[in-house]
Amino acid sequence: AQTVTQSQPEMSVQEAETVTLSCTYDTSENNYYLFWYKQPPSRQMILVIRQEAYKQQNATENRFSVNFQKAAKSFSLKISDSQLGDTAMYFCALTGGTSYGKLTFGQGTILTVHP
Amino acid sequence: GAGVSQSPSNKVTEKGKDVELRCDPISGHTALYWYRQSLGQGLEFLIYFQGNSAPDKSGLPSDRFSAERTGGSVSTLTIQRTQQEDSAVYLCASSYRDHKFFGPGTRLTVL
Repeated sequence: AQTVTQSQPEMSVQEAETVTLSCTYDTSENNYYLFWYKQPPSRQMILVIRQEAYKQQNATENRFSVNFQKAAKSFSLKISDSQLGDTAMYFCALTGGTSYGKLTFGQGTILTVHP
Repeated sequence: GAGVSQSPSNKVTEKGKDVELRCDPISGHTALYWYRQSLGQGLEFLIYFQGNSAPDKSGLPSDRFSAERTGGSVSTLTIQRTQQEDSAVYLCASSYRDHKFFGPGTRLTVL
């Protein structure tokens, strides 16, 4: 079975500062993908960033980057230069192997960016 | 064209009634997923359609839940004899290859 754990129910950050959201996971698969999704109050899940497990290089998308530690099964999200529009629920998710296509989600972290 | 759409946006029903939730995926997307998001919880996989293959129903919580996908496009999730614990946001997603696109969800409230 695959599991994803987000240990921070809520986080807050000042506008323009940097924040890191934590995620750990467990899977027996060798080939898998990790994702961070953002869910604003509109409920629409938006893909923020994805990482293929076979790639050692950490994924980066503009102000968003990950710290992928495969041996530790850790996949944290760093948001630089936080903006008010980053306020949302963030979900870490995993798919791979026989469960490929089906996402296993963490419990989510509510991020609030303060002006 | 447009993204994934779901209807209704909100649904309030009485315990014991049946409900149907609709998902219109992005045109050309071969895979379609249903997830459930209960209050304060992460997303729970329900069912997965891939092309013409038999659906993966491994996440359906009980036989009161069923889903179909007609013509490889629109999908309907049906919940029979609704219970209060069925109250949740039901999210649909479609994908082409690895990229999933989610709809805005249907918030179901069972009184």
